[in-house]
Amino acid sequence: GAGVSQSPRYKVTKRGQDVALRCDPISGHVSLYWYRQALGQGPEFLTYFNYEAQQDKSGLPNDRFSAERPEGSISTLTIQRTEQRDSAMYRCASSQGERYTGELFFGEGSRLTVL
Amino acid sequence: QKEVEQDPGPLSVPEGAIVSLNCTYSNSAFQYFMWYRQYSRKGPELLMYTYSSGNKEDGRFTAQVDKSSKYISLFIRDSQPSDSATYLCAMSEADSNYQLIWGAGTKLIIKP
Repeated sequence: GAGVSQSPRYKVTKRGQDVALRCDPISGHVSLYWYRQALGQGPEFLTYFNYEAQQDKSGLPNDRFSAERPEGSISTLTIQRTEQRDSAMYRCASSQGERYTGELFFGEGSRLTVL
Repeated sequence: QKEVEQDPGPLSVPEGAIVSLNCTYSNSAFQYFMWYRQYSRKGPELLMYTYSSGNKEDGRFTAQVDKSSKYISLFIRDSQPSDSATYLCAMSEADSNYQLIWGAGTKLIIKP
């Protein structure tokens, strides 16, 4: 696609529910990143894929968070048993090559609100 | 203390003014320095990317890195209302350079 597409744009859920956030990167981009951005803060790294392989998940806050990219394109970030502290903007970004070269292309984000 | 500090603003200047935005950091291992611009309700977009110390110029934008002072700056000349946005600095170490550490962003307002 023309840009990084994320869905849903807005998700309101009740505490304890599971949510799945989807990211469709720019066509042909090898690397895909998930970030979380709190209001008034910079993005916080969560995890990163090259093709379908999860290269680094050290930023995932706990084991309720998981991500996959089974076919090396679309990725899903899943949060199980959501808590209020999970409320944030979740941003996906992609880049062209396997090695990071400085430019990340970000999507518009999925804003999660946990009640 | 955060690894990267950035004044949140807002910074309000008249159109045409020179704008100076800056970040300080504590990790001397940072080698890659970036400035991203983020419009309201949009994702960040890369403006400038520099490696190590020195200056880099691109049109109206100049990025400066002073590693000895652990201080980076972004200058915008002839500022325009369309430059109104939040500007985020980001940086990373050489060997894990995809793990960007971000500042909180400075909100810039250019008044016509």
